[in-house]
Amino acid sequence: DAGITQSPRHKVTETGTPVTLRCHQTENHRYMYWYRQDPGHGLRLIHYSYGVKDTDKGEVSDGYSVSRSKTEDFLLTLESATSSQTSVYFCAISESMGRNTGELFFGEGSRLTVL
Amino acid sequence: AQSVTQPDIHITVSEGASLELRCNYSYGATPYLFWYVQSPGQGLQLLLKYFSGDTLVQGIKGFEAEFKRSQSSFNLRKPSVHWSDAAEYFCAVGALGYSTLTFGKGTMLLVSP
Repeated sequence: DAGITQSPRHKVTETGTPVTLRCHQTENHRYMYWYRQDPGHGLRLIHYSYGVKDTDKGEVSDGYSVSRSKTEDFLLTLESATSSQTSVYFCAISESMGRNTGELFFGEGSRLTVL
Repeated sequence: AQSVTQPDIHITVSEGASLELRCNYSYGATPYLFWYVQSPGQGLQLLLKYFSGDTLVQGIKGFEAEFKRSQSSFNLRKPSVHWSDAAEYFCAVGALGYSTLTFGKGTMLLVSP
């Protein structure tokens, strides 16, 4: 299994509070991703990174920010959590996305509940 | 832009019966196609992938998928379903030069005794 650790795995918070989810990898892969999974919507990309300090937005990036100061860590921050951000968040990594070996490896997910 | 459609939200199959899960994609050039499986409370695991060459690809756990360019499809098949196959299945599409994958909304497979 790919070495991907997400923390925390479960979190309950209140509307308006900041939340940071962490993704840590031991594979030295270049690409890192944050997806959210919601019933009826599948997986939707929030943000991704293609290198240290290089990030880009996905299809549902509003209300989220990310940072990648080291190859191994990719942080997802909700500056002021809302109930619509209640979801399961998955981190994924890839060594060579867009080339002939590109595939994603997923973490086990972080379940966030915003009350 | 790429898109993926999985027409079936839920499918119920009897144990031992054959399975086919449908996936249609939209992309102008040759896509890279993937099938992932997600067991309850778990992350996604890659079942198989297609990049080029033989259009029938074999994956783990006895699954296979066939790329049909004329139909823009990449359907997942298994000849005999086991109760442990009950899970949610996701089709995804990528392409050369793209840094992301686009996922379908998933098909939940239920296996009846």
